[in-house]
Amino acid sequence: DIQMTQSPSTLSASVGDRVTITCRASQSISIWLAWYQQKPGKAPNLLIYKASALESGVPSRFSGSGSGTEFTLTISSLQPDDSATYYCQQHNSYAYTFGQGTKLEI
Amino acid sequence: QVQLKQSGPGLVRPSQTLSLTCAISGDSVSSDTDAWNWIRQSPSRGLEWLGRTYYRSKWYTDYAVSVESRITINTDTSKNQLSLHLNSVTPEDTAVYYCARGKFDLGGGGGSWFDSWGQGILVTVSS
Repeated sequence: DIQMTQSPSTLSASVGDRVTITCRASQSISIWLAWYQQKPGKAPNLLIYKASALESGVPSRFSGSGSGTEFTLTISSLQPDDSATYYCQQHNSYAYTFGQGTKLEI
Repeated sequence: QVQLKQSGPGLVRPSQTLSLTCAISGDSVSSDTDAWNWIRQSPSRGLEWLGRTYYRSKWYTDYAVSVESRITINTDTSKNQLSLHLNSVTPEDTAVYYCARGKFDLGGGGGSWFDSWGQGILVTVSS
């Protein structure tokens, strides 16, 4: 299976900050990477797919980039509602695998 | 708008079978463009994809290696739902279980991302 490693594991930032979360794949996955936001007690919510495609309804302050083995999720101007855990997922091929998560505290 | 509604018991005894159902509205389990997945989440294992089923002129299923000897995913087209059966459970199978719709790139590359999720069910394996 393809291993996904996120960094950092936790992140503390302030409203208005620009933050970046990194996800690395153990082998090349081209652009086949998704990002999710999860709040306590809720299912993950899709933010980005195909590395940089913004899911409908997701605020434009969220953006994704990268290809191959290294990817980033950027939040351009943090809002209080962005406090959550963020996960990457490779969708290069099944078996799909997820990163361990990055907890963002605001 | 697709909605996935999960049902099933929250407590399963060790060595028994865990069975969950996911009722789909707003889409079809027989969709020829989507896939239907089961994913679980636990503190020790994180988010773990378990398997999928999809229809492309016939039914296909794929399972994660970690559970492939114990898992079955079925569909009921008359009720537009899918089900998960995981047998011989142990306390390590304790997790929140989700069903999720998988979408594919229209250009045909890559696998699927998950754009709609069920509400999740916490299943505890304990005697």
